[in-house]
Amino acid sequence: GAGVSQSPRYKVAKRGQDVALRCDPISGHVSLFWYQQALGQGPEFLTYFQNEAQLDKSGLPSDRFFAERPEGSVSTLKIQRTQQEDSAVYLCASSPRRTGSEKLFFGSGTQLSVL
Amino acid sequence: GNSVTQMEGPVTLSEEAFLTINCTYTATGYPSLFWYVQYPGEGLQLLLKATKADDKGSNKGFEATYRKETTSFHLEKGSVQVSDSAVYFCALSPYNQGGKLIFGQGTELSVKP
Repeated sequence: GAGVSQSPRYKVAKRGQDVALRCDPISGHVSLFWYQQALGQGPEFLTYFQNEAQLDKSGLPSDRFFAERPEGSVSTLKIQRTQQEDSAVYLCASSPRRTGSEKLFFGSGTQLSVL
Repeated sequence: GNSVTQMEGPVTLSEEAFLTINCTYTATGYPSLFWYVQYPGEGLQLLLKATKADDKGSNKGFEATYRKETTSFHLEKGSVQVSDSAVYFCALSPYNQGGKLIFGQGTELSVKP
């Protein structure tokens, strides 16, 4: 596709369920980022991949959050035992550059609601 | 640590009014600075950027100047249009941290005809 694609667009989970959120970056993009955006707030950094290597996971809020990008393309953000405070929009972004900030393309996000 | 503070919204203006959205930052080293925009129902888009002190970023009539002495990156536009209604985010990218962004909380702009 032409842009960063995220699925599902919306996800409703019961508290305690595990969820998996998918990101398809723009083809050939080296860097991939995940952000969490709570309602009315700016996005907050979660983790960063360069190809398949996870170089920074300092923003993951707990060990219930896990991200992978096994072949350096598609990435999955997994949240185990979801809690209400996990409700947010999860944004994925990709860049053709190794230091991604100057040419970053965002997806439309996955809105997660935990009931 | 690194942080970004934006003026709170919502900001409501009439068409053709002058816009300023204030943004100040705290950072170690020499970050790059950005303004991103989120139109209703759409994803975040880069509006403009500046990578070093005194640089001016500009796009679509919007401007912002990287002021190291005041640690600011205020967004301005001389004459806003209804189509500029959106949420605007100021952000910084810390030096040598792979390009991750630290965002402000966003400022909602509503332009009335």
